[in-house]
Parts: sequence; structure tokens; C-alpha cells
Amino acid sequence: QVQLVQSGAEVKKPGASVKVSCKTSGYTFTSFGISWVRQAPGQGLEWMGWISPYNGNTNYAQTYQGRVTMTADTSTNTAYMELRSLRSDDTAVYYCAREEDYYDSGGLNYYYMDVWGKGTTVTVSS
Amino acid sequence: EIVLTQSPGTLSLSPGERATLSCRASQSVSSSYLVWYQQRPGQAPRLLIYGASTRATGIPDRFSGSGSGTDFTLTISRLEPEDFAVYFCQQYGRSSYSFGQGTKLEFK
Repeated sequence: QVQLVQSGAEVKKPGASVKVSCKTSGYTFTSFGISWVRQAPGQGLEWMGWISPYNGNTNYAQTYQGRVTMTADTSTNTAYMELRSLRSDDTAVYYCAREEDYYDSGGLNYYYMDVWGKGTTVTVSS
Repeated sequence: EIVLTQSPGTLSLSPGERATLSCRASQSVSSSYLVWYQQRPGQAPRLLIYGASTRATGIPDRFSGSGSGTDFTLTISRLEPEDFAVYFCQQYGRSSYSFGQGTKLEFK
């Protein structure tokens, strides 16, 4: 079955960087995009960006432009999200999610995140 | 950026009752890009509905989605104990996603 297994919890100091991994299995890695979504404690969901493992194309939310890098290793079917210059308000659970993007028989395009990792808790504290 | 506003913030109901959750967009959203997720405490979000009205694989038929343009609705016809959770709507547009702030469905 399709699985996204994320790396373990991290504790970082302000100003540091964190790199979270998302190892996938059960499907063709290059056939689906991977989105990263974060959730601060007690808050809602915030989309951070997307990567295509097929060609490495990325699309970052404006909020994170210049501070985030998403990569994909097709040899290990693993996606990565690195966030730099961490602040206390970056404390959150970070999720990777597989993105489904398809056209139905009528030519209608659909986008949604159909499988999610369990999340990685990143705590930023001095 | 399209802003999604969900209402109510909290909905207090009992098992067996009907739940109606609203998601309103600040501008028109393509129905094929409107999605609903369920998040239980301590768990990752789970895909419920995509394309505004299509249930994801394995989702019970008590869940239904409807709407178009700027107004979308998630309906749970008869609440089961495991349905008490937080529900988020999401839209895709201009190569980015945005989420509503969530509706918490709690036991009355």
C-alpha cells in the first residue's frame, strides 16, 4: 500500500536549519507530486510548497520563498524539506502529502492530497 | 490568494444527528479544486471529499459534499462517534493551495 514515512522529531535553536525527510513506497515516486503542509500547535493547516519528483520542479508559497528548499531523491524515493533561519513560530508539525493531479474522461482537472505522512514535530527553542 | 472561511468554528452535536459544515471562498473556486479533509486528534489529515462532491476511497456514504462557486458544504448525515474531529476545506488555484481554518465537530 502507499506509504509516506517521515523522519523523527527535531529540536532546533533559533537561526538553525532543519531538514525533514519523507520516504515513500507503494507507488511510482515520479508519477506524483509531493506537497509539504505545516500545522502550528492548536492551529490550522498551512501549505508550504510542492515538488515534482519527476523533474525537480518546485513551487513555494510566497511566505517561505528564500527560506525553504524542497528536493527529491529518485534513487531512494524520498522527498526532503529544508527550512532555514528557524524562529520560534516555526514550531509545528510538518507533513508531507502525495498530490494527485489528474484529468477525468471529461477533461476536468482535479488536485488533492490523497495520502499523508504521520508528521514530523519540529520544536524551535533557545 | 483565495481565502476560505469555514463556519461554524465549533459544532456541538450528538451521535445520530446531521452535521452541516460550510466553506465560503473569497472568490469563485473551481469545484474540481475543492477538497475536504478530516483530522482526528494526534493524527494527520485524511482525504474525505475531492472535486467538491466525490468521496475518496473507503469514505462512508454518510459523508457528502456539495456546492459551487464560492459556497461549499460538507454534510454528515448521521454522526458516528468516530466522526467527531476537525474538518478542513482546501482549494487549489494559481499553482497554490489554501485551507480554511477548520470546523471542530464536538460531542454535545
